[in-house]
Amino acid sequence: AQRVTQPEKLLSVFKGAPVELKCNYSYSGSPELFWYVQYSRQRLQLLLRHISRESIKGFTADLNKGETSFHLKKPFAQEEDSAMYYCALTGGYNKLIFGAGTRLAVHP
Amino acid sequence: DAGVTQSPTHLIKTRGQQVTLRCSPISGHKSVSWYQQVLGQGPQFIFQYYEKEERGRGNFPDRFSARQFPNYSSELNVNALLLGDSALYLCASSALGESRTDTQYFGPGTRLTVL
Repeated sequence: AQRVTQPEKLLSVFKGAPVELKCNYSYSGSPELFWYVQYSRQRLQLLLRHISRESIKGFTADLNKGETSFHLKKPFAQEEDSAMYYCALTGGYNKLIFGAGTRLAVHP
Repeated sequence: DAGVTQSPTHLIKTRGQQVTLRCSPISGHKSVSWYQQVLGQGPQFIFQYYEKEERGRGNFPDRFSARQFPNYSSELNVNALLLGDSALYLCASSALGESRTDTQYFGPGTRLTVL
């Protein structure tokens, strides 16, 4: 079965601390993994996709096929990073399978 | 471009009624996907349409149906509403309908409450 698991509902850190949002997946085949973000009162938007291998707003994510993980990391959290983060994989065409999401709260 | 637009913003219905939600994609985008987001959960895929044809369907009952018009806008219909249909319904558009290369752009959603 295709599934995305985000084990933490809430991650609370202080400004300047490292951040790691966990994502594990279950997928038969070669998955395409994404991180989406939703800031307060804004729309859900793509943060990054693993195929691009780029860093967006200081965030990076590495696909680990052995551990079936795609954790999102940032070395120094900023208050503006506070948002809801969703890990997702594509199940073909435009079908995205989302995890339940992790709320990141960055405190001053 | 205002991005993906959805109407209405909010909707209140009673059990057994029918509802139609509307979505206008970004200009030039040919693919529209619908998602249901229940409180506390991530969005769940309902349908994808590309060039007016259904390309994918999620695990939803036949009470859910959709269509795409020649101008690429889309409607999602839900019949015989149940309390459990209360959710935020998201529409997303993309240029080519292929997640591996496309980016899906989401609308603000329609909040449906079933009483």
